[in-house]
Amino acid sequence: EDQVTQSPEALRLQEGESSSLNCSYTVSGLRGLFWYRQDPGKGPEFLFTLYSAGEEKEKERLKATLTKKESFLHITAPKPEDSATYLCAVGSSTLTFGKGTMLLVSP
Amino acid sequence: KAGVTQTPRYLIKTRGQQVTLSCSPISGHRSVSWYQQTPGQGLQFLFEYFSETQRNKGNFPGRFSGRQFSNSRSEMNVSTLELGDSALYLCASSNRSPSDEQFFGPGTRLTVL
Repeated sequence: EDQVTQSPEALRLQEGESSSLNCSYTVSGLRGLFWYRQDPGKGPEFLFTLYSAGEEKEKERLKATLTKKESFLHITAPKPEDSATYLCAVGSSTLTFGKGTMLLVSP
Repeated sequence: KAGVTQTPRYLIKTRGQQVTLSCSPISGHRSVSWYQQTPGQGLQFLFEYFSETQRNKGNFPGRFSGRQFSNSRSEMNVSTLELGDSALYLCASSNRSPSDEQFFGPGTRLTVL
């Protein structure tokens, strides 16, 4: 059974204070690791797909990296508008999601 | 390109009733997946349809069912509603496979009283 664990559950940062979110996983036959952002009351918004260990992708202040057992979402100099829940998911035949990290960035 | 749309956005039902939710995928996408999201359990996979066939199913009781039409639009039905069915129901579409990037709709917020 595929499993995804995200940590921390919640993270509070000051504006400009960089940090990382962790996603550890076990999956039989990884066909992709996905990061999503979800704002309250909305559907998840796709951010990145990573397919193999060592792969990295960047988008504005976000950078996702992948190893054989975990992925990190690095947030550099965050702004209040980066406040959201960040979800990680692994794909095999379906997507299995972690429970997310709730990020709050204070001005 | 228009995104994934879901209707209705909000529903209030009472225990024992049934409900039907609708999802229109991104044009050209043939795979539609449904998820239930609750604060305690997070996002849980319900089922996935591709070309009108259920291809994958999650661990939910038979009260939860779905279908897909020839235009890729999908519906899910929940019969004999229970209080624990209160949740945000999300639909996601992808090009070929659920292991491709999935794009989510805004969800339907179901409240069971």
